[in-house]
Amino acid sequence: DAKTTQPPSMDCAEGRAANLPCNHSTISGNEYVYWYRQIHSQGPQYIIHGLKNNETNEMASLIITEDRKSSTLILPHATLRDTAVYYCIVRVRSGYSTLTFGKGTMLLVSP
Amino acid sequence: KAGVTQTPRYLIKTRGQQVTLSCSPISGHRSVSWYQQTPGQGLQFLFEYFSETQRNKGNFPGRFSGRQFSNSRSEMNVSTLELGDSALYLCASSPDDSILATEAFFGQGTRLTVV
Repeated sequence: DAKTTQPPSMDCAEGRAANLPCNHSTISGNEYVYWYRQIHSQGPQYIIHGLKNNETNEMASLIITEDRKSSTLILPHATLRDTAVYYCIVRVRSGYSTLTFGKGTMLLVSP
Repeated sequence: KAGVTQTPRYLIKTRGQQVTLSCSPISGHRSVSWYQQTPGQGLQFLFEYFSETQRNKGNFPGRFSGRQFSNSRSEMNVSTLELGDSALYLCASSPDDSILATEAFFGQGTRLTVV
């Protein structure tokens, strides 16, 4: 699975958009970008995934650059409950269910 | 639909003892994976089971083992506990080995403390 690089921490004001970047310069053509988050003392929660097109669901939007070497997770209107560690994971979307977690980005949403 | 259920939520054991943790996946899910989370090492993959067969294993010593039953419920066992085994143990279930396989749903975890 391709390696990812994320900033260790980010701050965001409540109600503003949170833009979390992820670099995955060695991504292969058949690898997807997945985002999970982990709120303190809970299990990780799936957010969104994509291959090359931008994706949106009720939780977030995922923007993948044209060369697929980086992506951005966007929480359009961050709330205090979005404070969590966000993990960007790149892997093929078949076979094993194994997820390789990096250190992620600690997002702190403040009032 | 009930989520992934892990029992017990908290556990305290003594060095040298063994422990068994349980995971009930979401109904209909056939893949169960286990992860260990510690402050120093983060989230690390332990093993994955699908249809009662271990199909992937992380880099952990043989003291860590697991199994899956015909109803997809899974258990993991740690023998000869060490202080370093203190961690949050997380279980995740996935529907099957189709294209949805990597959208995993995690339980709340079992917090194991070894004293």
